[in-house]
Amino acid sequence: AQKVTQAQTEISVVEKEDVTLDCVYETRDTTYYLFWYKQPPSGELVFLIRRNSFDEQNEISGRYSWNFQKSTSSFNFTITASQVVDSAVYFCALTERAQKLVFGQGTRLTINP
Amino acid sequence: EPEVTQTPSHQVTQMGQEVILRCVPISNHLYFYWYRQILGQKVEFLVSFYNNEISEKSEIFDDQFSVERPDGSNFTLKIRSTKLEDSAMYFCASTRLINTGELFFGEGSRLTVL
Repeated sequence: AQKVTQAQTEISVVEKEDVTLDCVYETRDTTYYLFWYKQPPSGELVFLIRRNSFDEQNEISGRYSWNFQKSTSSFNFTITASQVVDSAVYFCALTERAQKLVFGQGTRLTINP
Repeated sequence: EPEVTQTPSHQVTQMGQEVILRCVPISNHLYFYWYRQILGQKVEFLVSFYNNEISEKSEIFDDQFSVERPDGSNFTLKIRSTKLEDSAMYFCASTRLINTGELFFGEGSRLTVL
């Protein structure tokens, strides 16, 4: 069965600090996709990144970067030079072939000015 | 850019009432989903729908829930007799191709059951 674990329930940092959100997943399939979503206080799910299981290249997008390691079944998300607008709940998710997403519990990130 | 739209954005209802949440998926999409998020908790899969029938449903999706695509554009979730514990944010999602991992979410409908 698929499972996504985000062990960090809440993280609080001061603006401009770097912060890493951890995500560990379990799946029996060799083909799967991993995602990160941001949920601001307004409630919508904002898509950040999708990664397929065959692409272990790390990705950087502005202040965001993702580290995918199949050997440890982890897909961690780092925000560099955090800003107050980054405050949100962040969800890691996994899908296998059926496109059904399994979400982690989420990490509430608070960036303090 | 095409998007998935959901109505209403917020609905308040009395326990025992029927509720219909509506979604308009992106026009050329073929696979449709409903997810639920109880306040402060994770997002959970409810049901997937393809070719006018349910393709998969979770344990949460019991007999009080139903989905349909009444007119080829809307995709609805009906809760027959709402309970307090149905209070949640309900997200609709759609995709054109299966196995791509590309899923588009609506902005959600917040349901409050009193």
